[in-house]
Amino acid sequence: KAGVTQTPRYLIKTRGQQVTLSCSPISGHRSVSWYQQTPGQGLQFLFEYFSETQRNKGNFPGRFSGRQFSNSRSEMNVSTLELGDSALYLCASSLVPTDTQYFGPGTRLTVL
Amino acid sequence: AQTVTQSQPEMSVQEAETVTLSCTYDTSESNYYLFWYKQPPSRQMILVIRQEAYKQQNATENRFSVNFQKAAKSFSLKISDSQLGDTAMYFCAFMNRGSGSSNTGKLIFGQGTTLQVKP
Repeated sequence: KAGVTQTPRYLIKTRGQQVTLSCSPISGHRSVSWYQQTPGQGLQFLFEYFSETQRNKGNFPGRFSGRQFSNSRSEMNVSTLELGDSALYLCASSLVPTDTQYFGPGTRLTVL
Repeated sequence: AQTVTQSQPEMSVQEAETVTLSCTYDTSESNYYLFWYKQPPSRQMILVIRQEAYKQQNATENRFSVNFQKAAKSFSLKISDSQLGDTAMYFCAFMNRGSGSSNTGKLIFGQGTTLQVKP
């Protein structure tokens, strides 16, 4: 089976812009979770989607949003980018929300 | 709230030797998973091993094994016969599997331990 894929792998944006990141889960997996990884804050949970519904959300501002499509693919969007949004964004998929998560390679976002 | 603590920011080991990484966690839940993930320089997060809280037997995956002490809320990872390819950051993670919407799909990570395997 193919693993979790994320596109794009690298992004450079400027402050104030918005960005959309994409995640395709492992075939058959219906739950997708997103994490932000920074040197200062470590790995932090953003949100989780299952059956096209956001079922859990971390402590991030409303500028961070996401959605899930009927084929389980997920996107996350960050609007009005700030310098502090520079991070590695990781997507993980699992069969169901309470199962083992498998990660994609991540998207490295740099905000200038 | 659940927390995960890794008290060793950095460790090193000689190739072919054994090393143990420590992790403690705090929870009042009874149904949960504990994981070790590794993140090599490529930044790809890779599952190493999983432990189910209700299983007393320690999980083992080839050269990797855990020492799960539920009462002490301790979950250490032992790597035997260390290889150069084991060089990575290792994260301990907790997942609550109980019912309730606040539990779903969320891994809580420790701060990580950077392991260097020396030739």
